Order: sequence, then C-alpha cells, then structure tokens
Amino acid sequence: DTAVSQTPKYLVTQMGNDKSIKCEQNLGHDTMYWYKQDSKKFLKIMFSYNNKELIINETVPNRFSPKSPDKAHLNLHINSLELGDSAVYFCASSPGGGGVTGELFFGEGSRLTVL
Amino acid sequence: KNEVEQSPQNLTAQEGEFITINCSYSVGISALHWLQQHPGGGIVSLFMLSSGKKKHGRLIATINIQEKHSSLHITASHPRDSAVYICAVRLLRGGSRLTFGEGTQLTVNP
Repeated sequence: DTAVSQTPKYLVTQMGNDKSIKCEQNLGHDTMYWYKQDSKKFLKIMFSYNNKELIINETVPNRFSPKSPDKAHLNLHINSLELGDSAVYFCASSPGGGGVTGELFFGEGSRLTVL
Repeated sequence: KNEVEQSPQNLTAQEGEFITINCSYSVGISALHWLQQHPGGGIVSLFMLSSGKKKHGRLIATINIQEKHSSLHITASHPRDSAVYICAVRLLRGGSRLTFGEGTQLTVNP
C-alpha cells in the first residue's frame, strides 16, 4: 500500500484551465503539506494543514486553493493556470501537529505542464 | 542569500568512495531533515535530527547545533546512491514549515 498517494502523476493542460491534484495518506498522520518544486529542483512549501485546519499559507497566488475534507486528504485546486505554474507538486504528511512534527513522508509528485 | 546552504552543488565519486555532503544554516532551528530525491523524482526522508548523530545502514548524519552545520556521510558508495540529497530545516519559530537547501546532485560511477 502506498503511504502517500497523489493523482494524477502527470498533467498537461492549456493556459487558463482549472485543474486539481488529489492527495491521500493512509499513515494516520495529522499534518499534510503541499510543496512546489520548480525547474531548478528547488522545493518550497505552499500549504500545510493540521487535522483539516490550515496552518501554513505561504505567499501563493489565490488561484491556488487547498481543500482538506478530512485529515487523510489534502487536495490542491488551481484556477486560471499560467505558464509559470508548470512544476512538480509534492504532497507530504507527518505525524504530530502545529510545532511538533516529525519525519516527512512524500508522495511521488505530480508533474504539471501548462502549455 | 538562502537560509540553508548546501555544498557541494554537484559531486561525482567512484564506487566505494566515502562521501560527505554539507549543510549550513543561518537561523535557529528545531530540527533538520536530510532527504533523497531519486532520478525518477520521488523523495524519501533519510533522517530527521535535532542533535548528535544518526546512522542507517551506510548513511550517517551528524549535526552541530552551535556551529549551525550538518553533514551527511555515505560509506562505501554505490551507483544506486546517485540522487539529489536535500537538506531542510524546521525553523524554531516556523512551526511545521521547512526551509530547503538547493540540493546536492551526487553521481557515483561504477
């Protein structure tokens, strides 16, 4: 069983479209994250949720909207896609919450290409 | 300047060599992570440490909180160790937020 699973793994779409990436973890962790990895392979936090509650919201355009229906799921919806949104998006989870978190478990990444 | 600096950026080694990757940070932290990103893109957590030293198989991670420095060592390196190694720190006042280094690309040749 995959601990942290993301879908889709690859996504190719046109500018202006709206798309979603889904993430699920079966580890019973309280905290989930979305990270963006740019073309230079640099990872940056976008959002973090603890038990369905948003706790980190970095300077990300409001076209990006995370949604956590329950603590095992954290989805990322992107409106009006732009060329600069092309990247690999990683979902991750960790035990604990707030300032007490542990080891990270990553999904396999979702490569988004905006044409 | 990034709060987390890794060196070297690229490293090529021969199979069997002892490898060291360094990570320096400029802020107070509560923990430091070493991650491995495979050529296929997946990311695996290798270590999380806040003091001292941890060992897992051929991998050893050390941290010196006073000097704000951590090292990742690989003994008896193997071509399958070829990957990008990423250092990430959890800031003292950052909650669960991680700040990442730019990664070290390691290539181990047979």
